[in-house]
Amino acid sequence: NAGVTQTPKFRVLKTGQSMTLLCAQDMNHEYMYWYRQDPGMGLRLIHYSVGEGTTAKGEVPDGYNVSRLKKQNFLLGLESAAPSQTSVYFCASEPLGTRPTDTQYFGPGTRLTVL
Amino acid sequence: QKEVEQDPGPLSVPEGAIVSLNCTYSNSAFQYFMWYRQYSRKGPELLMYTYSSGNKEDGRFTAQVDKSSKYISLFIRDSQPSDSATYLCAMSARSTLTFGKGTMLLVSP
Repeated sequence: NAGVTQTPKFRVLKTGQSMTLLCAQDMNHEYMYWYRQDPGMGLRLIHYSVGEGTTAKGEVPDGYNVSRLKKQNFLLGLESAAPSQTSVYFCASEPLGTRPTDTQYFGPGTRLTVL
Repeated sequence: QKEVEQDPGPLSVPEGAIVSLNCTYSNSAFQYFMWYRQYSRKGPELLMYTYSSGNKEDGRFTAQVDKSSKYISLFIRDSQPSDSATYLCAMSARSTLTFGKGTMLLVSP
């Protein structure tokens, strides 16, 4: 199993450009999450999904959109990138039934720089 | 005041030392407590979890929760250079996780 994979690993954008980050998991997990990690801020939840076709807002959703059309994929979109969105983005997945321990499995991250 | 407070460090110790990592929190609804380890330029991985107050031991690692003080700890015995990483505490009230900022630990040979 590849676990949780993220594409791309690195990206540099100009202000105003758009892009989509792809998260894929091959563990048949029900829940999926997008976080951003900034120095001094820790991990903050952007959006999450509790199943195929569902999405919900997290702590810092503004400027991002998500879609979960297939159970194994969770896409994070930036419609008009801003320098404040420069960060490392992590995707995580969680199997049904591990709650309440919330055993989340993280991907390797995407380093995004917005100039 | 943030819901979860964690000293960012870095915490530098010699190999073999006992390490204590701590988090405090303000939300009394948190019932489930986790520690994640994150190596440089990698994603976090779950190290330990505990429910409510008490201790849990796993090899060289002990997680401790004191709900009355809203304080959790992770102890690492006989620390090794391979333990050098950032340790993130995380908490849940049966919903999404709230993470601390992480403490960077450096174990020197």
